[in-house]
Amino acid sequence: IQLVQSGPELKKPGETVRISCKASGYTFTNYGINWVKQAPGKGLKWMGWINTHTGEPTYAGDFKGRFAFSLETSASTAYLQINNLKNEDMTTYFCARRNYYGGSYYALDYWGQGTSVTVSS
Amino acid sequence: DIQMNQSPSSLSASLGDTITITCHASQNINVWLSWYQQKPGNILKLLIYKASNVHTGVPSRFSGSGSGTGFTFTISSLQPEDIATYYCQQGQSYPSTFGGGTKLEIK
Repeated sequence: IQLVQSGPELKKPGETVRISCKASGYTFTNYGINWVKQAPGKGLKWMGWINTHTGEPTYAGDFKGRFAFSLETSASTAYLQINNLKNEDMTTYFCARRNYYGGSYYALDYWGQGTSVTVSS
Repeated sequence: DIQMNQSPSSLSASLGDTITITCHASQNINVWLSWYQQKPGNILKLLIYKASNVHTGVPSRFSGSGSGTGFTFTISSLQPEDIATYYCQQGQSYPSTFGGGTKLEIK
C-alpha cells in the first residue's frame, strides 16, 4: 500500500495550487482520503477528507472556502486544490488513507510523503 | 472541538530506556485514539489505533493504553530508530484533532 504525492510547488500569492495523491496496492474506492496540514516546525492539523466511493468532501472549519478536495477515481488519485494562495498556506500537506476500526472511529493507516508549498512573490 | 493535550513536548532518554507519553482529551473519547510516529524527512506512520491496538508491522515494544480522557503511549527498550516526533489523534468526533507532539531524542 502506497500513497505517492506530487512534488514541491512554488507559487505566488493569489495563485492556485493542486496537489495530487496517487494510491496503489488496494481498492481506492474502499477507503477515504484525508488531508493534513503541517506548518513549518509545528504539529499536524486535520483539514478534512473525501469519501472516495461517493466523492463527497468534508472540510474542517478553517478549510472551508478556498480549499477543495476532488478525485480521479480511474487513476486512483485524490487532489487537494488551494485557491487564492496566502502566505499562511506555505507549509507541507499530507494525504492519508482513512481506515475504520469500529463504528465511526477511524485512524489514518497509510500516509503520503508530504508536499511542500512555497508562496512567494 | 476536542482539545488533545499531549505531554511532554520533548523528551530525552537513553537507549534501552522505557519512555511514556501522555495524551489528555478535553472530552470523553472512549478508546477512539491513535498514535503516530513522524520521522525526519516527514515519514508518518500509524503505530497504535483504538488506544491499545498495534498496527500491522509495528514492533511490540510500542504499546498504548487508556480510555475516556486519559491515554498513555509507551516505548519499551528504546532503539536508535525510535528517534522521531509522536502524535496522538482523536478520530471519532468532527473535526479530528491531534496532540501537539512529543519530540523524542536520545541522550
